[in-house]
Amino acid sequence: DAGITQSPRYKITETGRQVTLMCHQTWSHSYMFWYRQDLGHGLRLIYYSAAADITDKGEVPDGYVVSRSKTENFPLTLESATRSQTSVYFCASSVPGGGYEQYFGPGTRLTVT
Amino acid sequence: GESVGLHLPTLSVQEGDNSIINCAYSNSASDYFIWYKQESGKGPQFIIDIRSNMDKRQGQRVTVLLNKTVKHLSLQIAATQPGDSAVYFCAENINYGGSQGNLIFGKGTKLSVKP
Repeated sequence: DAGITQSPRYKITETGRQVTLMCHQTWSHSYMFWYRQDLGHGLRLIYYSAAADITDKGEVPDGYVVSRSKTENFPLTLESATRSQTSVYFCASSVPGGGYEQYFGPGTRLTVT
Repeated sequence: GESVGLHLPTLSVQEGDNSIINCAYSNSASDYFIWYKQESGKGPQFIIDIRSNMDKRQGQRVTVLLNKTVKHLSLQIAATQPGDSAVYFCAENINYGGSQGNLIFGKGTKLSVKP
C-alpha cells in the first residue's frame, strides 16, 4: 500500500523557472490538498480539490496553479518561481463524510535561488 | 490571522513523565479538531481527533480534551517516550462555502523527551 507519494523529494530551481511538484495517492480519496510549511507560519493551504476537475483556492494561492484530471494525481505548478516560494510542500488527501483527517505525503523541499 | 495557536512553542519532559500540549482556538463554529505529530523530515502524521460534541477522547497513550467554554484543546501523552519527540500541531476544521472543511493548523509545539 503506497499511500500518498510526492516527487521530487528535493528540488533546486532558479528564479523565473517553471516547476511542477507531483502528488499521487493510491487510496482513491476524493479530496486532495497542497500546503506549504514555513518556519513561523506552520502549514498553510495553497489549493485543494474536492474531486477530479474541481479545484479551489486556499489561503495562499498566488503564484501557484493546480490541476486534477485524474482522482489519484494532483500536481502543483509554480509558473514563475520566486525566492519567497522556497519552502517545504506537502500534499494530503482525505475522504469526505467521515472524519476530516488528512493523510500527508512525505513532502518536497523546494529551494528557489 | 490564524485562529488556532499554541500556548507553548517548546516543551521538554523526562522520559516516563506525562506530557501536556495545549492549543487555543478562536472560531466557536469549528466542529472538529485534530492533532498531528511531525517528525523531522517527514509529513504530519494523524494522532487523534475529536468532534465538538465531545469533551474527551482517548487513544493509545494519548488523550485529547476539548473545553469549548474557553476554546481550549489539549493533548496528553502518557508515559512519554523518546520516540514521542517531534513537533505537534493542532488543527481545527473550518468550512469554506459549505464544502468539506479545510483544516487550519497552529504553528506547532516541539516536544523534547529527555532520557
